[in-house]
Amino acid sequence: GAGVSQSPSNKVTEKGKDVELRCDPISGHTALYWYRQSLGQGLEFLIYFQGNSAPDKSGLPSDRFSAERTGGSVSTLTIQRTQQEDSAVYLCASSAYLLAGASDTQYFGPGTRLTVL
Amino acid sequence: QKEVEQNSGPLSVPEGAIASLNCTYSDRGSQSFFWYRQYSGKSPELIMFIYSNGDKEDGRFTAQLNKASQYVSLLIRDSQPSDSATYLCAVIGSSASKIIFGSGTRLSIRP
Repeated sequence: GAGVSQSPSNKVTEKGKDVELRCDPISGHTALYWYRQSLGQGLEFLIYFQGNSAPDKSGLPSDRFSAERTGGSVSTLTIQRTQQEDSAVYLCASSAYLLAGASDTQYFGPGTRLTVL
Repeated sequence: QKEVEQNSGPLSVPEGAIASLNCTYSDRGSQSFFWYRQYSGKSPELIMFIYSNGDKEDGRFTAQLNKASQYVSLLIRDSQPSDSATYLCAVIGSSASKIIFGSGTRLSIRP
């Protein structure tokens, strides 16, 4: 596609429910990143994928969070038993190659605004 | 100490003046540094990256890196009202496994 897309754009859920957030990266981009941004805050790095592999999951806030990527393309971020503190905008980004040391641009999607009541 | 620190602002600069945004980082082994601009309600967009000590210029933007002082800055010359946004500093640390963002500096250009 022309850019990174995310769905849904908005999600309102009740505390304790599971949610699944989807990210479609730019076609051909091997690296994919998930971030969380709370109101008025900077971006909190969650996890990155190189292809389908996520070498470091330590950024995920708790074991209620999981992420996967299939076919080197679409990624889903799943939050189980949602809590009110999970409310934030979840941003996905992709880049052609892994950013470290490469003069590459990271393109962000529009985000999913998650509200946990 | 936060890994990447920025003054939250708001920083108010008159139109046409130079806006100076600063960022410090704690990981001395960090190699890659980025500045992103984020308009309210929008996603961040990359405006500059820098890897080597010194200055890097791109149009009205200049990024400055001083690894000895663990300091990176962004200068915006001839500031325009459209430059009003939050500017996020981001750093890839020595582990190269993640990119750490500062909390951002809110910049306001007054006409």
